[in-house]
Amino acid sequence: KQEVTQIPAALSVPEGENLVLNCSFTDSAIYNLQWFRQDPGKGLTSLLLIQSSQREQTSGRLNASLDKSSGRSTLYIAASQPGDSATYLCAVDLGSGTYKYIFGTGTRLKVLA
Amino acid sequence: DGGITQSPKYLFRKEGQNVTLSCEQNLNHDAMYWYRQDPGQGLRLIYYSQIVNDFQKGDIAEGYSVSREKKESFPLTVTSAQKNPTAFYLCASSWTGRGGYTIYFGEGSWLTVV
Repeated sequence: KQEVTQIPAALSVPEGENLVLNCSFTDSAIYNLQWFRQDPGKGLTSLLLIQSSQREQTSGRLNASLDKSSGRSTLYIAASQPGDSATYLCAVDLGSGTYKYIFGTGTRLKVLA
Repeated sequence: DGGITQSPKYLFRKEGQNVTLSCEQNLNHDAMYWYRQDPGQGLRLIYYSQIVNDFQKGDIAEGYSVSREKKESFPLTVTSAQKNPTAFYLCASSWTGRGGYTIYFGEGSWLTVV
Protein backbone atom coordinates (compact mmCIF):
# COMPACT_ATOMS: atom_id res chain seq x y z
CA LYS A 1 0.00 0.00 0.00
CA GLN A 2 1.37 3.37 -1.01
CA GLU A 3 2.27 5.63 1.91
CA VAL A 4 3.41 9.24 1.64
CA THR A 5 5.45 10.89 4.38
CA GLN A 6 6.49 14.49 4.81
CA ILE A 7 9.23 15.55 7.18
CA PRO A 8 9.43 17.82 9.06
CA ALA A 9 5.83 18.31 10.16
CA ALA A 10 6.54 21.96 10.94
CA LEU A 11 9.28 24.42 10.08
CA SER A 12 10.06 28.03 11.04
CA VAL A 13 12.65 30.02 9.12
CA PRO A 14 13.68 33.69 8.94
CA GLU A 15 12.70 35.68 5.89
CA GLY A 16 15.07 35.38 2.95
CA GLU A 17 16.25 31.88 3.74
CA ASN A 18 16.30 29.16 1.09
CA LEU A 19 14.58 25.99 2.27
CA VAL A 20 13.79 22.43 1.25
CA LEU A 21 10.67 20.44 2.03
CA ASN A 22 10.79 16.66 1.75
CA CYS A 23 8.29 14.10 0.53
CA SER A 24 8.84 10.33 0.59
CA PHE A 25 6.71 7.58 -0.90
CA THR A 26 6.97 3.83 -0.44
CA ASP A 27 6.07 2.55 -3.92
CA SER A 28 8.09 3.95 -6.82
CA ALA A 29 5.43 2.96 -9.38
CA ILE A 30 3.76 6.35 -9.47
CA TYR A 31 2.32 8.22 -12.43
CA ASN A 32 2.67 11.82 -11.27
CA LEU A 33 3.59 13.76 -8.16
CA GLN A 34 2.07 17.08 -7.27
CA TRP A 35 2.89 19.73 -4.68
CA PHE A 36 0.13 21.84 -3.13
CA ARG A 37 -0.16 24.81 -0.84
CA GLN A 38 -2.94 25.10 1.75
CA ASP A 39 -3.70 28.23 3.74
CA PRO A 40 -5.53 27.79 7.09
CA GLY A 41 -9.16 26.83 6.61
CA LYS A 42 -8.87 26.92 2.83
CA GLY A 43 -8.72 24.53 -0.07
CA LEU A 44 -5.53 23.37 -1.78
CA THR A 45 -3.78 25.22 -4.58
CA SER A 46 -1.59 23.27 -6.99
CA LEU A 47 1.99 24.55 -7.16
CA LEU A 48 3.86 22.11 -9.36
CA LEU A 49 3.09 18.87 -11.18
CA ILE A 50 5.91 16.46 -12.05
CA GLN A 51 5.15 13.65 -14.44
CA SER A 52 6.91 10.33 -13.85
CA SER A 53 9.18 10.86 -16.87
CA GLN A 54 10.37 14.23 -15.57
CA ARG A 55 13.03 14.97 -12.99
CA GLU A 56 12.02 18.48 -11.98
CA GLN A 57 9.68 21.40 -12.52
CA THR A 58 10.17 25.10 -11.79
CA SER A 59 7.77 27.95 -11.21
CA GLY A 60 9.16 31.27 -10.05
CA ARG A 61 10.95 30.77 -6.72
CA LEU A 62 9.76 27.16 -6.49
CA ASN A 63 11.60 24.11 -7.80
CA ALA A 64 10.40 20.55 -7.32
CA SER A 65 12.47 17.46 -8.05
CA LEU A 66 11.48 13.84 -8.33
CA ASP A 67 13.58 10.71 -7.84
CA LYS A 68 11.28 7.75 -8.36
CA SER A 69 13.95 5.12 -7.72
CA SER A 70 14.58 6.40 -4.22
CA GLY A 71 10.94 7.32 -3.58
CA ARG A 72 11.65 10.97 -2.88
CA SER A 73 10.63 14.43 -3.97
CA THR A 74 11.81 17.78 -2.70
CA LEU A 75 10.28 21.24 -2.95
CA TYR A 76 12.87 24.01 -2.92
CA ILE A 77 11.71 27.52 -2.03
CA ALA A 78 14.21 30.29 -2.74
CA ALA A 79 14.37 33.55 -0.82
CA SER A 80 11.42 32.75 1.41
CA GLN A 81 8.89 35.46 2.26
CA PRO A 82 6.27 35.77 5.04
CA GLY A 83 3.61 35.24 2.36
CA ASP A 84 4.99 31.75 1.83
CA SER A 85 3.70 30.75 5.27
CA ALA A 86 1.25 27.90 4.73
CA THR A 87 1.04 24.12 4.81
CA TYR A 88 2.65 22.35 1.88
CA LEU A 89 1.38 18.93 0.85
CA CYS A 90 2.66 16.47 -1.70
CA ALA A 91 0.52 13.84 -3.37
CA VAL A 92 1.31 10.89 -5.64
CA ASP A 93 -0.89 9.58 -8.41
CA LEU A 94 -1.17 5.79 -8.47
CA GLY A 95 -1.81 5.77 -12.20
CA SER A 96 -3.35 2.81 -14.05
CA GLY A 97 -6.38 4.93 -14.78
CA THR A 98 -7.37 5.18 -11.15
CA TYR A 99 -7.12 8.97 -10.97
CA LYS A 100 -6.45 8.58 -7.25
CA TYR A 101 -3.99 10.75 -5.39
CA ILE A 102 -2.47 9.72 -2.06
CA PHE A 103 -1.61 12.71 0.10
CA GLY A 104 1.09 13.27 2.67
CA THR A 105 0.25 14.91 6.00
CA GLY A 106 2.01 18.14 5.02
CA THR A 107 4.71 20.46 6.32
CA ARG A 108 3.50 23.57 8.12
CA LEU A 109 5.85 26.40 7.16
CA LYS A 110 6.18 29.71 8.97
CA VAL A 111 8.43 32.39 7.53
CA LEU A 112 9.33 35.02 10.11
CA ALA A 113 9.63 38.67 9.10
CA ASP B 1 -14.52 32.89 -13.20
CA GLY B 2 -13.93 29.17 -13.61
CA GLY B 3 -13.64 27.12 -10.51
CA ILE B 4 -15.20 24.85 -7.92
CA THR B 5 -17.90 26.06 -5.57
CA GLN B 6 -18.63 24.25 -2.33
CA SER B 7 -21.56 25.04 -0.06
CA PRO B 8 -22.26 25.57 2.70
CA LYS B 9 -18.97 26.74 4.18
CA TYR B 10 -20.08 25.74 7.69
CA LEU B 11 -22.65 23.09 8.58
CA PHE B 12 -23.85 21.67 11.86
CA ARG B 13 -25.36 18.21 12.08
CA LYS B 14 -27.43 16.76 14.86
CA GLU B 15 -27.04 13.14 15.89
CA GLY B 16 -28.91 10.79 13.54
CA GLN B 17 -29.30 13.39 10.81
CA ASN B 18 -28.22 13.16 7.18
CA VAL B 19 -26.65 16.24 5.61
CA THR B 20 -25.61 17.00 2.04
CA LEU B 21 -22.61 19.02 0.92
CA SER B 22 -22.82 20.65 -2.47
CA CYS B 23 -20.01 20.77 -5.06
CA GLU B 24 -20.34 22.46 -8.45
CA GLN B 25 -17.60 22.99 -11.05
CA ASN B 26 -17.59 24.98 -14.28
CA LEU B 27 -14.20 23.79 -15.50
CA ASN B 28 -15.70 21.14 -17.78
CA HIS B 29 -13.68 18.48 -15.95
CA ASP B 30 -14.66 14.85 -16.25
CA ALA B 31 -13.37 13.68 -12.87
CA MET B 32 -14.57 14.86 -9.48
CA TYR B 33 -13.47 13.87 -5.99
CA TRP B 34 -14.42 14.19 -2.34
CA TYR B 35 -11.71 14.23 0.32
CA ARG B 36 -11.90 14.44 4.09
CA GLN B 37 -9.25 16.27 6.14
CA ASP B 38 -8.90 15.92 9.89
CA PRO B 39 -6.76 18.35 11.93
CA GLY B 40 -3.05 17.82 11.36
CA GLN B 41 -3.65 15.06 8.85
CA GLY B 42 -3.47 14.65 5.13
CA LEU B 43 -6.42 14.21 2.83
CA ARG B 44 -8.28 10.91 2.61
CA LEU B 45 -10.36 10.00 -0.42
CA ILE B 46 -14.05 9.34 0.18
CA TYR B 47 -15.47 8.91 -3.33
CA TYR B 48 -14.47 9.79 -6.86
CA SER B 49 -16.18 9.89 -10.23
CA GLN B 50 -14.60 9.79 -13.67
CA ILE B 51 -17.79 10.22 -15.72
CA VAL B 52 -21.44 11.04 -15.27
CA ASN B 53 -23.56 8.33 -13.64
CA ASP B 54 -20.50 6.46 -12.42
CA PHE B 55 -18.49 6.70 -9.20
CA GLN B 56 -16.13 4.59 -7.10
CA LYS B 57 -15.48 4.24 -3.40
CA GLY B 58 -12.31 5.69 -2.00
CA ASP B 59 -10.52 4.61 1.15
CA ILE B 60 -13.13 5.83 3.68
CA ALA B 61 -16.51 5.56 1.91
CA GLU B 62 -18.44 4.00 4.79
CA GLY B 63 -21.17 6.31 6.04
CA TYR B 64 -21.09 8.49 2.93
CA SER B 65 -22.99 8.51 -0.36
CA VAL B 66 -22.66 10.46 -3.62
CA SER B 67 -24.38 10.94 -6.95
CA ARG B 68 -23.16 12.19 -10.34
CA GLU B 69 -26.23 13.00 -12.39
CA LYS B 70 -24.61 15.99 -14.09
CA LYS B 71 -21.03 16.61 -15.16
CA GLU B 72 -20.89 19.83 -13.15
CA SER B 73 -22.25 18.49 -9.87
CA PHE B 74 -21.04 15.92 -7.33
CA PRO B 75 -22.95 16.22 -4.02
CA LEU B 76 -21.81 14.32 -0.94
CA THR B 77 -24.28 13.06 1.68
CA VAL B 78 -22.97 12.37 5.15
CA THR B 79 -25.34 9.81 6.61
CA SER B 80 -26.15 8.98 10.21
CA ALA B 81 -24.05 5.84 9.74
CA GLN B 82 -20.90 7.97 9.74
CA LYS B 83 -19.97 7.89 13.42
CA ASN B 84 -17.34 10.59 13.42
CA PRO B 85 -18.26 13.09 10.71
CA THR B 86 -16.73 16.23 12.22
CA ALA B 87 -14.07 17.24 9.70
CA PHE B 88 -13.13 19.56 6.83
CA TYR B 89 -14.48 18.29 3.49
CA LEU B 90 -12.85 19.17 0.19
CA CYS B 91 -14.23 18.71 -3.29
CA ALA B 92 -11.91 18.60 -6.29
CA SER B 93 -11.97 18.07 -10.03
CA SER B 94 -9.55 17.31 -12.85
CA TRP B 95 -9.19 16.26 -16.46
CA THR B 96 -8.79 12.57 -17.22
CA GLY B 97 -6.72 10.80 -19.85
CA ARG B 98 -3.05 10.36 -20.58
CA GLY B 99 -0.48 12.79 -19.36
CA GLY B 100 -0.21 14.90 -16.28
CA TYR B 101 -3.17 16.80 -14.98
CA THR B 102 -3.71 19.26 -12.17
CA ILE B 103 -6.32 18.78 -9.50
CA TYR B 104 -8.33 21.86 -8.61
CA PHE B 105 -9.91 22.20 -5.18
CA GLY B 106 -12.86 24.07 -3.77
CA GLU B 107 -12.62 26.17 -0.61
CA GLY B 108 -13.94 23.38 1.59
CA SER B 109 -16.85 22.82 3.95
CA TRP B 110 -16.62 22.47 7.71
CA LEU B 111 -19.00 19.92 9.21
CA THR B 112 -19.54 19.78 12.97
CA VAL B 113 -21.73 17.37 14.92
CA VAL B 114 -23.68 19.01 17.73
